[in-house]
Amino acid sequence: ETGVTQTPRHLVMGMTNKKSLKCEQHLGHNAMYWYKQSAKKPLELMFVYNFKEQTENNSVPSRFSPECPNSSHLFLHLHTLQPEDSALYLCASSQEVTGKEYFGPGTRLTVL
Amino acid sequence: SQQGEEDPQALSIQEGENATMNCSYKTSINNLQWYRQNSGRGLVHLILIRSNEREKHSGRLRVTLDTSKKSSSLLITASRAADTASYFCATAGSADNNNDMRFGAGTRLTVKP
Repeated sequence: ETGVTQTPRHLVMGMTNKKSLKCEQHLGHNAMYWYKQSAKKPLELMFVYNFKEQTENNSVPSRFSPECPNSSHLFLHLHTLQPEDSALYLCASSQEVTGKEYFGPGTRLTVL
Repeated sequence: SQQGEEDPQALSIQEGENATMNCSYKTSINNLQWYRQNSGRGLVHLILIRSNEREKHSGRLRVTLDTSKKSSSLLITASRAADTASYFCATAGSADNNNDMRFGAGTRLTVKP
């Protein structure tokens, strides 16, 4: 257990659905991250939040919408996704944006 | 964009043997980190080595960094079946934040009992 939890662990959704991924960290960290891990591709950083403020958006399509209501929680709202968005979505946190990152177990997303 | 590239892509060894994985990168870095990912789990941080360091140890793990060759290696000594996992290197170019952290595609290590 790394202190970072993600729900759900698995999600299957249609292209017209709206769903949300949730991440919670119990480590008192100030920075949180969303990563996408696709098959046979390197892990990609999507969003970075530091003290609830978004500091990075790596050219992610608008069908992915992050939300960070407080330093312990991070959401990724999904709508009108494409099949190529199927991937493992990993959340991570670190004490500060320069620190060692602790990863959650990920949400395995399948878009039909 | 991808920064670190692990080599080999897959490695299979017997329990007790040593495993060496390499990572090469293209631009200057502030630090390089190694992670392990077991099936069905998130990434676990193993070691961070800074650009001014050449070698670090943690238990059975040894990491080296050669900034002149833009490469790093991860050595696992006396491997165990539980070491079976994918291993990723990640580079960070900035000392100020992890915003530019880039991961490689990983090396899949299989340790046979």
